[in-house]
Amino acid sequence: AQSVTQLDSQVPVFEEAPVELRCNYSSSVSVYLFWYVQYPNQGLQLLLKYLSGSTLVKGINGFEAEFNKSQTSFHLRKPSVHISDTAEYFCAVSDPLNYGGSQGNLIFGKGTKLSVKP
Amino acid sequence: DSGVTQTPKHLITATGQRVTLRCSPRSGDLSVYWYQQSLDQGLQFLIQYYNGEERAKGNILERFSAQQFPDLHSELNLSSLELGDSALYFCASSEGDRSNEKLFFGSGTQLSVL
Repeated sequence: AQSVTQLDSQVPVFEEAPVELRCNYSSSVSVYLFWYVQYPNQGLQLLLKYLSGSTLVKGINGFEAEFNKSQTSFHLRKPSVHISDTAEYFCAVSDPLNYGGSQGNLIFGKGTKLSVKP
Repeated sequence: DSGVTQTPKHLITATGQRVTLRCSPRSGDLSVYWYQQSLDQGLQFLIQYYNGEERAKGNILERFSAQQFPDLHSELNLSSLELGDSALYFCASSEGDRSNEKLFFGSGTQLSVL
């Protein structure tokens, strides 16, 4: 069974500082990987996804993530954060060959709350 | 705006009652997913429908049921409500049912059971 671990539940950071939100997954097969963001009082929206190809994936709002198969990680980074990046970030994984299972297509981590301070 | 509409936005009810949450997916999307988000459990997958049929089932209680109608909107029915059912319930939709697809989420229904 697949699982996703987001190592930090909360990450405080000052405006214009770099940030890295960590995500590790466990799976015995190849996977698709996603980062979703949830702004206060809103639903989740897709930041970026890795399906195949280049391991460095660029997303919206200046975020990027790097797929590292040997470390089973998919960390999210931004070189300079803004106050508006304050939100909760969810890493998710799916199995290209086994969907419709009891966990649904997407298995989410527990989320990391990013708090950007002025 | 994701294009996914959920109603109502807020719902306050008492234990033992029954409520219905409604979701209209993005135009053209065939899959509808229901998730429950709570502080202790995080984001939990409940159930997925694809073109009117149940496609996947997660940690959905027997007191809960869902359906997708011919016009593709979906309803989640929660009965015999307990205090622990208080949570934010999200609906999401996608074009098909493949695991590489982007999910579009609604803004959620905040359920408070008193």
